[in-house]
Amino acid sequence: NAGVTQTPKFQVLKTGQSMTLQCAQDMNHEYMSWYRQDPGMGLRLIHYSVGAGITDQGEVPNGYNVSRSTTEDFPLRLLSAAPSQTSVYFCASSYTLVGELFFGEGSRLTVL
Amino acid sequence: KNEVEQSPQNLTAQEGEFITINCSYSVGISALHWLQQHPGGGIVSLFMLSSGKKKHGRLIATINIQEKHSSLHITASHPRDSAVYICAVRSRSSGNTPLVFGKGTRLSVIA
Repeated sequence: NAGVTQTPKFQVLKTGQSMTLQCAQDMNHEYMSWYRQDPGMGLRLIHYSVGAGITDQGEVPNGYNVSRSTTEDFPLRLLSAAPSQTSVYFCASSYTLVGELFFGEGSRLTVL
Repeated sequence: KNEVEQSPQNLTAQEGEFITINCSYSVGISALHWLQQHPGGGIVSLFMLSSGKKKHGRLIATINIQEKHSSLHITASHPRDSAVYICAVRSRSSGNTPLVFGKGTRLSVIA
């Protein structure tokens, strides 16, 4: 099984550019989420989804959009990149809200 | 607000030592996760528990619901155990909102 596939692994953007981080899972998990990880801070929730067609904001949603058109895919869109969005991003999924977590390998984003 | 505190923040051990990492939280929870992140690497789930104790190889996780505290133990530590260990909890009253994470404990095991 591929598990959680996250792309790209590395990306450099200029301020104002937009991009999409892709996340796909093949485990039929209902619950998917996006986190950012910054030095000295714990993982912080950006957006999450409890099933296809259902998304909600997390702790730090500003500047990001998500959609969940299928169970498998949960892309994260940066609308107009800012240097403050330089971070490592992780996608995660689980079968239930309290189920075992599966993480993607992470995407390191640098915004110049 | 649910707070998750881990201690110590950093830990250096000699190979073979017994290691304990602690996690305290402030609200009633439905589940607690221990995660491992190797340098420059992804995050993997080690344990998920809501009561008692779980063991996998040299790793043992315990939780005391009344004291709102969990520990992760590593027996006979090895340099390959060097990683950041992260505690995360899900509050019983948080609705659909997922986990709250601690800031992690950075472990270095020296040969």
